[in-house]
Amino acid sequence: GEDVEQSLFLSVREGDSSVINCTYTDSSSTYLYWYKQEPGAGLQLLTYIFSNMDMKQDQRLTVLLNKKDKHLSLRIADTQTGDSAIYFCALDNYGQNFVFGPGTRLSVLP
Amino acid sequence: DGGITQSPKYLFRKEGQNVTLSCEQNLNHDAMYWYRQDPGQGLRLIYYSQIVNDFQKGDIAEGYSVSREKKESFPLTVTSAQKNPTAFYLCASSTPGPQHFGDGTRLSIL
Repeated sequence: GEDVEQSLFLSVREGDSSVINCTYTDSSSTYLYWYKQEPGAGLQLLTYIFSNMDMKQDQRLTVLLNKKDKHLSLRIADTQTGDSAIYFCALDNYGQNFVFGPGTRLSVLP
Repeated sequence: DGGITQSPKYLFRKEGQNVTLSCEQNLNHDAMYWYRQDPGQGLRLIYYSQIVNDFQKGDIAEGYSVSREKKESFPLTVTSAQKNPTAFYLCASSTPGPQHFGDGTRLSIL
């Protein structure tokens, strides 16, 4: 089955950029997602990219997809304390085999 | 507003007791899912349903049961056979496409 990996922890200074990485094994995914989970809450869909795209930008968020290396990243510009949360990447193949990564806990230091 | 409602937010179970977690969606989504999240852990799939009156086991179905009698509702029962039920439970739905999550139910043992 699909294997999705993420670094478990990331710390950045407020105002810096954060880059959260995700690697996967199955290249048949059609959509790749980033979710944010704040303490005690459900997962909130942040953004997604279709597999035929290389990059997608949405305000402070930039998603990069390298299909050759099976690598997905989420860059958060001007990181704020409110960005402190757990970030999950997830992969989907037309509604089949929806798989989540283990999550990266982002800590933003003042 | 459309969304997924999980209730209750907090639930306590006594030894030998079955408890039922509610999940209702008004997004008209066909597929619904139940996940378990333990502290510092990612998501583990318990059960999922792609159509009414049909559901499949996920990775950790033992000690849990579900029903899908209506499109809008997908309740999860944590039975007394589940020996370590303390966790955060998340319900999600999709059309397919991205999964949308409720705010979760935290289950603890008395």
